[in-house]
Amino acid sequence: EIVMTQSPATLSVSPGERATLSCRASQSVSSNLAWYQQKPGQAPRLLIYGASTRATGIPARFSGSGSGTEFTLTISSLQSEDFAVYYCQQYNNWPPLYTFGQGTKLEIK
Amino acid sequence: EVQLVESGGGLVKPGGSLRLSCAASGFTFSSYSMNWVRQAPGKGLEWVSSISSSSSYIYYADSVKGRFTISRDNAKNSLYLQMNSLRAEDTAVYYCARDVEMATLGNAFDIWGQGTMVTVSS
Repeated sequence: EIVMTQSPATLSVSPGERATLSCRASQSVSSNLAWYQQKPGQAPRLLIYGASTRATGIPARFSGSGSGTEFTLTISSLQSEDFAVYYCQQYNNWPPLYTFGQGTKLEIK
Repeated sequence: EVQLVESGGGLVKPGGSLRLSCAASGFTFSSYSMNWVRQAPGKGLEWVSSISSSSSYIYYADSVKGRFTISRDNAKNSLYLQMNSLRAEDTAVYYCARDVEMATLGNAFDIWGQGTMVTVSS
């Protein structure tokens, strides 16, 4: 099983500043990596897939990068609605055996 | 509007059974692989099962293999999860989710339902 490790567990950032979230895979997942945002009481929302492709309707301030085992989600200028928990997910296995990271909580500083 | 709506959750005793449903609307359901993902209270996301568009390919997480069965009815635009031999550790919100691309399996999930809570307790 591919283990996904996110860091940090909690990130405190002020509105308007940049946030950088990291995700590491225990073995290469190529570019088969997605990022999700989840707010309390809501379902996850797909932000990025293919490591760097923004999903439909996702603002340009969200960007993803990386390949292999190291990935980054960057939010260029934090808005109040961006404070949430973020999960990475790999979907490189075949047969499918998707695994998620444990999440990074992005909180207001 | 593209939408997934889960139902069927509730309180069940250990060893019991429950069947979850997911009703799809606003897209061509029969063209997409579908998935179940769960989230235990206060915990992260865990993939449970996936089914291809024509039901030809079905996969399960090891934690549910042999106890859960995924199925779909494309004529009814519906996805199902039959859960048997339930355990306390199956307690979670269960989400159905659509693959981001048509006619593929093994991809990110772009549309999610609101979730249905399953509680396994005596």
